[in-house]
Amino acid sequence: AQTVTQSQPEMSVQEAETVTLSCTYDTSESDYYLFWYKQPPSRQMILVIRQEAYKQQNATENRFSVNFQKAAKSFSLKISDSQLGDAAMYFCAYLDTGNQFYFGTGTSLTVIP
Amino acid sequence: EPEVTQTPSHQVTQMGQEVILRCVPISNHLYFYWYRQILGQKVEFLVSFYNNEISEKSEIFDDQFSVERPDGSNFTLKIRSTKLEDSAMYFCASKRDRGFMYGYTFGSGTRLTVV
Repeated sequence: AQTVTQSQPEMSVQEAETVTLSCTYDTSESDYYLFWYKQPPSRQMILVIRQEAYKQQNATENRFSVNFQKAAKSFSLKISDSQLGDAAMYFCAYLDTGNQFYFGTGTSLTVIP
Repeated sequence: EPEVTQTPSHQVTQMGQEVILRCVPISNHLYFYWYRQILGQKVEFLVSFYNNEISEKSEIFDDQFSVERPDGSNFTLKIRSTKLEDSAMYFCASKRDRGFMYGYTFGSGTRLTVV
């Protein structure tokens, strides 16, 4: 089974600054997708960004971007110009060819005004 | 934007009772899923469902659990004889087709509390 590791249980960032959340994964597959989900206190799962493993170009979604290093099996999330509304739990997730998600344990992000 | 709807948002039940968690997937979606998140832990896969049958299930999804799509719109998760450790957030998700380009659409979850 695939494993997803988020080594930072908690992170904090000053408002308007940039923060990077780390994620590594383990897989023997060559074709897969990677995602970052945001979970606010309401506990809803909100898609932040996704990356196709076959694409070398890093995905970008407004203030959110990823650094995808396929050989290193690393998939970090960068949040630029952090806003108070970015405070949430962030989960890295791997989607396999069987359409099953594997989630990391999450990183709790605090944004300091 | 289409949503996956889950009801109720919070359910409290006595240990040993049966509960049914309900989900209304997006109307043109064909693949359905249940995930569970115990408080403070990661989200875990329970089961996937396609063409009126279970496609895959995890070790968590034992005989205590069952899923059903009773009427073509609802997708339910039944938990028989609930235990304290079943307390968790349960997420339903749906997907239009097998291609995994867009991931799933998750519902907002049902918080189950077993007392």
